[in-house]
Amino acid sequence: DQQVKQNSPSLSVQEGRISILNCDYTNSMFDYFLWYKKYPAEGPTFLISISSIKDKNEDGRFTVFLNKSAKHLSLHIVPSQPGDSAVYFCAALNRDDKIIFGKGTRLHILP
Amino acid sequence: DAEITQSPRHKITETGRQVTLACHQTWNHNNMFWYRQDLGHGLRLIHYSYGVHDTNKGEVSDGYSVSRSNTEDLPLTLESAASSQTSVYFCASSEGQGGYTFGSGTRLTVV
Repeated sequence: DQQVKQNSPSLSVQEGRISILNCDYTNSMFDYFLWYKKYPAEGPTFLISISSIKDKNEDGRFTVFLNKSAKHLSLHIVPSQPGDSAVYFCAALNRDDKIIFGKGTRLHILP
Repeated sequence: DAEITQSPRHKITETGRQVTLACHQTWNHNNMFWYRQDLGHGLRLIHYSYGVHDTNKGEVSDGYSVSRSNTEDLPLTLESAASSQTSVYFCASSEGQGGYTFGSGTRLTVV
């Protein structure tokens, strides 16, 4: 049973436009939600997180929105750049410091 | 600089062999984790440890074991390698709050 779901395996966005990656979760007990970025042949790297008591967190071009009533979060990247092409994992942290990952969304930034 | 390293980067082994993947971190983190990444499944937790002599099973622990004799190392052992264990393996460490640092991964092929 998937607790963290990324329903879009891939997404293509024009360079300079906004990229929106979506994620749904089922467990309302998660404390933090995180986004990780992964390039081929490298380990995932932490991108941005949001506490379950917040509804928005912004860091430069990256903003994460949390809608607790809908159990939904999204990552906005604006403007999208070629280096943003990667696999993005949505993840949720429980109180045991265990992270549960979604299956990932491959983002392609088109020139 | 602190880091987390995995070795080897690539490994080919035969079915039935015992294989050990190494993970070494110099962050002095108490929490360490092993994940496997497979197409269509994202990152799945195999085993984790919250400190020396502590080990716990994750969601896909069958056929794997870990030991934690010091803070820095969490080796992952495949007792009798199977083709289903062909995957990319990632080790991570954390001091809590989900701030995982991942290694670069080990690509394991079981033939």
